[in-house]
Amino acid sequence: GQQLNQSPQSMFIQEGEDVSMNCTSSSIFNTWLWYKQDPGEGPVLLIALYKAGELTSNGRLTAQFGITRKDSFLNISASIPSDVGIYFCAGITGTASKLTFGTGTRLQVTL
Amino acid sequence: EAGVAQSPRYKIIEKRQSVAFWCNPISGHATLYWYQQILGQGPKLLIQFQNNGVVDDSQLPKDRFSAERLKGVDSTLKIQPAKLEDSAVYLCASSFRWEGVAFFGQGTRLTVV
Repeated sequence: GQQLNQSPQSMFIQEGEDVSMNCTSSSIFNTWLWYKQDPGEGPVLLIALYKAGELTSNGRLTAQFGITRKDSFLNISASIPSDVGIYFCAGITGTASKLTFGTGTRLQVTL
Repeated sequence: EAGVAQSPRYKIIEKRQSVAFWCNPISGHATLYWYQQILGQGPKLLIQFQNNGVVDDSQLPKDRFSAERLKGVDSTLKIQPAKLEDSAVYLCASSFRWEGVAFFGQGTRLTVV
């Protein structure tokens, strides 16, 4: 089946630093999504990307849909403690809107 | 607008027992998903409904798992009999048919002992 590989697997940063993570696939996706999951909660949608090359921002978050439609990255600027959590990319393909999740990037922010 | 509702939040059962989870999607969302998330992993799709029809259940262990979505709204996921490896968070999500962006509930944490 389709697999989405995220890197890095985990990262420890200091408050105020910028963060960059990416997601790659061997398959083409029509839509890329980025979710954040806090402990004990379901994933919450951060950004949705619909077109190859699209760059979208949501506050301190910026994400891009790769030109090849096989990758995406997420940047977080000026990190704060509440950014702690697991970030998942997800890709949608096919007319049935099948949603496949990546392996996740765990972010820890130190003061 | 109310989000995706799931119950119960937590469930502890013994192996070989049965358990059922309930999900109420966002009003008007035609697509409903059940995901299994094992600790430390990303969510894995178990089954996807479009209205009350199954679109994809290729990763559903059909010998013990079953799901239904009567009337195209609420859905239940059942495990019978449960195994230790079924311990996980079970997430329900829904989306508009044409949009595909899924919104998740808080999940049900299942512990099989």
